[in-house]
Amino acid sequence: GNSVTQMEGPVTLSEEAFLTINCTYTATGYPSLFWYVQYPGEGLQLLLKATKADDKGSNKGFEATYRKETTSFHLEKGSVQVSDSAVYFCALQEGGYSTLTFGKGTMLLVSP
Amino acid sequence: DAGVIQSPRHEVTEMGQEVTLRCKPISGHNSLFWYRQTMMRGLELLIYFNNNVPIDDSGMPEDRFSAKMPNASFSTLKIQPSEPRDSAVYFCASGGGTTDTQYFGPGTRLTVL
Repeated sequence: GNSVTQMEGPVTLSEEAFLTINCTYTATGYPSLFWYVQYPGEGLQLLLKATKADDKGSNKGFEATYRKETTSFHLEKGSVQVSDSAVYFCALQEGGYSTLTFGKGTMLLVSP
Repeated sequence: DAGVIQSPRHEVTEMGQEVTLRCKPISGHNSLFWYRQTMMRGLELLIYFNNNVPIDDSGMPEDRFSAKMPNASFSTLKIQPSEPRDSAVYFCASGGGTTDTQYFGPGTRLTVL
């Protein structure tokens, strides 16, 4: 079956540091890949997505590249801010409009 | 658009009571998903509907849980009787139509004493 594995958190960084959150996946076909973000007390929001190999999703300074050869979709940001503190979820979807398979989430804490 | 609407935002109840959670999906979306989030288990898919029809309810924990979608703009998740281990945040999400993205509601935080 499908699965998503994320690095365990929390990830603790100082403001303006470089961020990487690792995500690898297992899927039988060619999934779409997503990063969602959950701010404290809120629901999940789509951060970025990529639908095929070598696509790069980007939003709000975050980027992730769909790497089929390594089955990975690592999230990166060049300079984090305190406001980026949240839980980040990697997810995959096989077949349009079907269910998402989520990773366990990685908490990011950014200090001033 | 108002996004996915869930009510109530918080619910505190006593063990054995019936709990009903409500969701209004985004207009035009034809898929609706109910998730449960806990510290121990993370985010779990409970059930999803497509065009108001339940497609996969394999994530529903037991018979105490039931979900309905009587029309395209409303769904309920009911727990009867509730137990303390049901305490969690329950999210509703909608998608489909012209998008493959799921949009989440703000969640209902349920506490069963």
